[in-house]
Amino acid sequence: GQQLNQSPQSMFIQEGEDVSMNCTSSSIFNTWLWYKQEPGEGPVLLIALYKAGELTSNGRLTAQFGITRKDSFLNISASIPSDVGIYFCAGLVYQLIWGAGTKLIIKP
Amino acid sequence: GAGVSQTPSNKVTEKGKYVELRCDPISGHTALYWYRQSLGQGPEFLIYFQGTGAADDSGLPNDRFFAVRPEGSVSTLKIQRTERGDSAVYLCASSLTEGGNEQFFGPGTRLTVL
Repeated sequence: GQQLNQSPQSMFIQEGEDVSMNCTSSSIFNTWLWYKQEPGEGPVLLIALYKAGELTSNGRLTAQFGITRKDSFLNISASIPSDVGIYFCAGLVYQLIWGAGTKLIIKP
Repeated sequence: GAGVSQTPSNKVTEKGKYVELRCDPISGHTALYWYRQSLGQGPEFLIYFQGTGAADDSGLPNDRFFAVRPEGSVSTLKIQRTERGDSAVYLCASSLTEGGNEQFFGPGTRLTVL
């Protein structure tokens, strides 16, 4: 099925570092969503973006909806161990079209 | 509980068998979605219900897959003649309204077909 292009596939970072990941699509979406999934759990919504150019924050997380409506990025500032997990972008039609995920690993 | 629940959490079956996966959405949510997630991938849409009716079943991979939601609440995903390629985590989500941006996910059912 259709998927978004999400990168990087994985990230190995030190605690305290900032993290950036992005998602692109050949299609336009009117809503972009960012989810986090931990092992054995379903995805949990982090940030929803509804307007092209919109920049939205949720604590240490910041996400932007690209002007072309074909891309979005997510930044995590000052990473902490509990940030570990897989982050997914998703574009909303009425169902969600998903990226393949970015696996975040904190180096000890 | 207040969230989406799915049962069983794990299901191991043999090739060729029939399985049913159950989803209990959040009370009052009219829209219900089924997704399938393979290892290392994002979820893929299967089917979505608005109330009792399947509004879009275009993601079902073939006619071995079928889902029902007879009373507009609980939904069952049914897979006939299971194949090894059906092994995945099956996720259910619900939202308050159709196209609701906040889709709340259950923990999933991990299906393994031997």
